[in-house]
Amino acid sequence: GAVVSQHPSRVICKSGTSVKIECRSLDFQATTMFWYRQFPKQSLMLMATSNEGSKATYEQGVEKDKFLINHASLTLSTLTVTSAHPEDSSFYICSARDFTSGGKGETQYFGPGTRLLVL
Amino acid sequence: GDSVTQMEGPVTLSEEAFLTINCTYTATGYPSLFWYVQYPGEGLQLLLKATKADDKGSNKGFEATYRKETTSFHLEKGSVQVSDSAVYFCAISGGSYIPTFGRGTSLIVHP
Repeated sequence: GAVVSQHPSRVICKSGTSVKIECRSLDFQATTMFWYRQFPKQSLMLMATSNEGSKATYEQGVEKDKFLINHASLTLSTLTVTSAHPEDSSFYICSARDFTSGGKGETQYFGPGTRLLVL
Repeated sequence: GDSVTQMEGPVTLSEEAFLTINCTYTATGYPSLFWYVQYPGEGLQLLLKATKADDKGSNKGFEATYRKETTSFHLEKGSVQVSDSAVYFCAISGGSYIPTFGRGTSLIVHP
């Protein structure tokens, strides 16, 4: 199946700093990527849809100025948590849809996740 | 809107026991159905999927059948292993192809 990578896998930062998380599709092109947030022992919460070459679409309640998304190429999307605070500590997961394996893009492939801890 | 209901866990089994994790959904139209597995500290991996009624998805000994009449997609495995311990998410995906996830079911398999 398609492979999606994330970097870094784990990051610890001080309150007030910004953190950038990268999401890459390694063996396919992804015009659309998704960013999720997962709290302990809970399901995934969709934060935003990242579209290559255009602005991201944010879900209700997600601050677009807080979580900056850039989809600079067909294989890379970045999520920047600006002025991070302890409440932003979470597990962030990206995913991408693969239209190139003969499907209709109905399957999402997930990255391994990035654990963010803000002190 | 679309929704997915999974049985609450944790499900605790002994090795080689039979596994069933129930999943039912509500959706308009004909969604695609998925099971994802999340091992500790990792992202989600696609386990299996079915895209139309009566399709059976299978992988690694797991299987699930798309039952439109009962709007269900129950996950089964005949003989679980310790290495199957993980959280399992049922998901559906409609025309927008943005999946709706269930809350996840934790499976713990003891030797």
